[in-house]
Amino acid sequence: AQKITQTQPGMFVQEKEAVTLDCTYDTSDPSYGLFWYKQPSSGEMIFLIYQGSYDQQNATEGRYSLNFQKARKSANLVISASQLGDSAMYFCAMSNSNDYKLSFGAGTTVTVRA
Amino acid sequence: DVKVTQSSRYLVKRTGEKVFLECVQDMDHENMFWYRQDPGLGLRLIYFSYDVKMKEKGDIPEGYSVSREKKERFSLILESASTNQTSMYLCASSLMGYVPVNTEAFFGQGTRLTVV
Repeated sequence: AQKITQTQPGMFVQEKEAVTLDCTYDTSDPSYGLFWYKQPSSGEMIFLIYQGSYDQQNATEGRYSLNFQKARKSANLVISASQLGDSAMYFCAMSNSNDYKLSFGAGTTVTVRA
Repeated sequence: DVKVTQSSRYLVKRTGEKVFLECVQDMDHENMFWYRQDPGLGLRLIYFSYDVKMKEKGDIPEGYSVSREKKERFSLILESASTNQTSMYLCASSLMGYVPVNTEAFFGQGTRLTVV
């Protein structure tokens, strides 16, 4: 069974600074995909970034980058130059080729301070 | 614009009632998912489906069932609602891709269900 762990329930970050959100995963399948989603207070789920298990380079999307360390089974999200609008809950998720389940972690709440 | 639509934003039901939560997607996606979201627990997968009439149990299927008679519609059924099923319910859909191809899931707006 796959499992996603996010150990940081909440974080504070100063505006314009970078923040790293931790995510570790556990799977025995060599083929898997890792996702990060943002959920603002409005409740919508916004896809941010994706990393495939065979990708050689870390994924980047604008101010978001994914620090993928395969041997450590870690997929940390880095948000650079934080903005007030980045205040939200962030979820790490994983899907593997065995069963196409999409499983999520418990989430991390980020609060950006002016 | 891609869309996943859940039939209700807010719902209040009585204990013991049979409850239907409906989800419709217009993206011709094969995969559909039902999650419940509770504070501190993240999104927990209840059931998912990768094809019409196919269903797979997620991590917390007890007390729920699902129906997928058409590709675009995935229904979550609470056979006899209980107060511990009070939660936010999220539906999602995605393409049937061959992992590790990106199979981004698209979410509905959520249904806040209160069972009294």
